Amino acid sequence: KNEVEQSPQNLTAQEGEFITINCSYSVGISALHWLQQHPGGGIVSLFMLSSGKKKHGRLIATINIQEKHSSLHITASHPRDSAVYICAVRSGTSGSRLTFGEGTQLTVNP
Amino acid sequence: NAGVTQTPKFRVLKTGQSMTLLCAQDMNHEYMYWYRQDPGMGLRLIHYSVGEGTTAKGEVPDGYNVSRLKKQNFLLGLESAAPSQTSVYFCASRGFDYSLLDTQYFGPGTRLTVL
Repeated sequence: KNEVEQSPQNLTAQEGEFITINCSYSVGISALHWLQQHPGGGIVSLFMLSSGKKKHGRLIATINIQEKHSSLHITASHPRDSAVYICAVRSGTSGSRLTFGEGTQLTVNP
Repeated sequence: NAGVTQTPKFRVLKTGQSMTLLCAQDMNHEYMYWYRQDPGMGLRLIHYSVGEGTTAKGEVPDGYNVSRLKKQNFLLGLESAAPSQTSVYFCASRGFDYSLLDTQYFGPGTRLTVL
């Protein structure tokens, strides 16, 4: 079993829909990251969380430390949101290293 | 600032050939990382460095070597390429932050095919 599990693996939505991507992890963590990988391959960091909730534009990330679970929400989805969304955790013992989930491929159709 | 750059962007090798991938960052970051990304798998750490002159093994280090002679550069070497090393390679860097909440910045990736 991977230390970081994402669901779903693939998600197709219609423009305007509310989207949720989930991430569960099995180790104690000091931080959780959500990243976005564009169709061209570039990877950018969206959020870093150690507790609670963060919001940036139409994106919201939440984390529940007790349940070892995080969600990434996209409100009013748009075709330009189509990308792979990756969850990664920094465990308490890994120092500066991240462990990555396999990613969720999101396609938003117009 | 260019951020994190990788050279080359694409490369095709024959089995047994050697090559070096170069990662450069202009953000004065202490930490640098090399990852590989394969279909159906998450990014996996090959080697990393916590400062100039230091390197450490990651999750999948076999068949690779690295060097960090200058703070801004992190080199990944394949001494004798194998088809199993066909992958997309990403470099990343991060500054030092006691809270460990600092962002990793990724390069654009190098697509390597070993025939």
